[in-house]
Amino acid sequence: DIQMTQSPSTLSAFVGDRVTITCRASQSISSWLAWYQQKPGKAPKLLIYRASNLESGVPSRFSGSGSGTEFTLTIGSLQPDDFATYYCQQYNSYSTFGQGTRVEIK
Amino acid sequence: EVQLVESGGGVVQPGESLRLSCEVSGFNFGIYDMGWVRQPPGRGLECVSIISGSGVRTHYADSVKGRFIISRDNSKNMVHLHMENLRVEDTATYYCAKVRIPAGKWYFGLWGRGTLVSVSS
Repeated sequence: DIQMTQSPSTLSAFVGDRVTITCRASQSISSWLAWYQQKPGKAPKLLIYRASNLESGVPSRFSGSGSGTEFTLTIGSLQPDDFATYYCQQYNSYSTFGQGTRVEIK
Repeated sequence: EVQLVESGGGVVQPGESLRLSCEVSGFNFGIYDMGWVRQPPGRGLECVSIISGSGVRTHYADSVKGRFIISRDNSKNMVHLHMENLRVEDTATYYCAKVRIPAGKWYFGLWGRGTLVSVSS
C-alpha cells in the first residue's frame, strides 16, 4: 500500500500569509495526487487534481505542484475562509489519504 | 441539482451488521465510479470502497476486505455499502463520493454530507 505523509500536522498563520503544505508518498505516484479542504462538520471539497490542476470554482490563490513522491499545496495569501484542514490523496494505486494538515489562525 | 444523500447510519453493537445507502441525483449516475470514504471522529479520511459505473469491478481497503460489500442499482440511482461483523474501529462518518470524471482516476469531485456509524457495546 502507498502511504501518504503530510507536514506539518498543524500550521498557525496570519491572514495574508503565504502558506505551504507538503505531502510525501512512500513510492512514486507520478502526478496522481489531489488536495481537499475540509471544514468542521462538513464534507471534504476538491481543490486540486493531478497535482497542479485547479478545480473549477476554486480561488486562484490555491496552487499545487510536484510529481513522483513530493508534492506541495500553496495558498498564496491566506484568507479567513481558508482556515480548515487540508488532505492530500494519492490515486495512482487504489486511493489513500494523508493524515491532514490543520491551518489555524495565529 | 447535483447531490448525494446518505442514509442508514446508526448505533450498533460489535459483530452486528448495517447497510448504508446513497441516493444520487442530477447527473448520469451509471457512467461514474462511486466510493465510500469514512472519517473516525477527530481523525483523517480513509477510502473504504470503490465500485465501477457498471458495478462489475469493486475495490476495498484492507481494513474492511471480507466484511464490507459495495453494490449499486443504476436503475434507482443508488449505491450501497453492506457492512458485516462491525468493529469498534469502524465507528466513523461515512461519506458517499462521486469520482470526478467518468471512467477516470479515483479522486472525488462530489461528496454527500455523510452518515454516522457508531459501533459500541
